[in-house]
Amino acid sequence: RKEVEQDPGPFNVPEGATVAFNCTYSNSASQSFFWYRQDCRKEPKLLMSVYSSGNEDGRFTAQLNRASQYISLLIRDSKLSDSATYLCVVTRYSTLTFGKGTMLLVSP
Amino acid sequence: ETGVTQSPTHLIKTRGQQVTLRCSSQSGHNTVSWYQQALGQGPQFIFQYYREEENGRGNFPPRFSGLQFPNYSSELNVNALELDDSALYLCASRNVSQETQYFGPGTRLLVL
Repeated sequence: RKEVEQDPGPFNVPEGATVAFNCTYSNSASQSFFWYRQDCRKEPKLLMSVYSSGNEDGRFTAQLNRASQYISLLIRDSKLSDSATYLCVVTRYSTLTFGKGTMLLVSP
Repeated sequence: ETGVTQSPTHLIKTRGQQVTLRCSSQSGHNTVSWYQQALGQGPQFIFQYYREEENGRGNFPPRFSGLQFPNYSSELNVNALELDDSALYLCASRNVSQETQYFGPGTRLLVL
């Protein structure tokens, strides 16, 4: 079983839609959790950290469920510029373990 | 921009050759990690350097080696290149007291 699993997509949505990405991780000793965004042929960039209490950054909401070892990302009011691959990341002793990523395509 | 730079941006090698990739970390960052991202995959941790020593390694063979210099810049060396080594190689830097890692633009390596 992969350490971090994500639905690879692609998710095709119209502008203005709400889209949710899910991720599960296998190592219960994982310490920190993040969502990264990666544009085509570019490096990953930190989108947001994920906490059990949930956190929101504008149109983006992330949630962690430690008991279920499940992480989610919700994007509201999708923009064309949100088109990218979203990578779920867990850390242990500062080593990042990435999922394969979920591709999002937002169309006009 | 993250302030992390990598060189070269692209590289083509043949099987069996050796390659050296370079990374300059963001100012104030003393820890550098290297990742390999094959096409369609997420980045995979290769190793991490802190105070010029390797202090963490992923599931990569010994022909993947590295160095960190006193100015915290780093090199990744790969010997006896194989076709499957074709990938985007990413370097990420951070300050050891903080968690967030900042990635450079990567080096695309193609092994023929």
